[in-house]
Amino acid sequence: KAGVTQTPRYLIKTRGQQVTLSCSPISGHRSVSWYQQTPGQGLQFLFEYFSETQRNKGNFPGRFSGRQFSNSRSEMNVSTLELGDSALYLCASSSEGRIYEQYFGPGTRLTVT
Amino acid sequence: GENVEQHPSTLSVQEGDSAVIKCTYSDSASNYFPWYKQELGKRPQLIIDIRSNVGEKKDQRIAVTLNKTAKHFSLHITETQPEDSAVYFCAALGDYKLSFGAGTTVTVRA
Repeated sequence: KAGVTQTPRYLIKTRGQQVTLSCSPISGHRSVSWYQQTPGQGLQFLFEYFSETQRNKGNFPGRFSGRQFSNSRSEMNVSTLELGDSALYLCASSSEGRIYEQYFGPGTRLTVT
Repeated sequence: GENVEQHPSTLSVQEGDSAVIKCTYSDSASNYFPWYKQELGKRPQLIIDIRSNVGEKKDQRIAVTLNKTAKHFSLHITETQPEDSAVYFCAALGDYKLSFGAGTTVTVRA
């Protein structure tokens, strides 16, 4: 089976712009979670989707949003980018309804200048 | 919400020695505790996990123990090798959300 894939792998944006990141889960996996990883804050949970429904959301401002499509692919969007949004954005997929055994994608490295 | 604390933040061991990383969690409803290994520039990889109905689990040189009463769990790596050098994260699952510890940077000295 192919692993979790994320596109793009690298992105450079300027403050005030918006960005959309994409995640394709492992075939058959219906749960997708998103995380922000920074050197200072570690891995912070953004949100989790299962069957197109958001089941939980982390403590991030409303500028961060996401969605999941019927084929389980997921996107996250960040509007009005700030310098502090520079980070590695990771998605992870799981085959079970309770997100056991999450498998991570390679991440999208976002740099905001 | 869930709060996961991880110690130590850095750990240096001699090749062949053991390494132990400890985590505590706050939400007694958490019932699944995975450990991830992240090498430099790579994605986190699941190396072992434990569910709340089990006290200990072993897989070759790595083992995890869980004490639900005390709300802490630990990762044990025996006979460490240079390829064990990485950042290790513990996590706890509650309400469709994995909360991660801050990570432990393990360096195995040859």
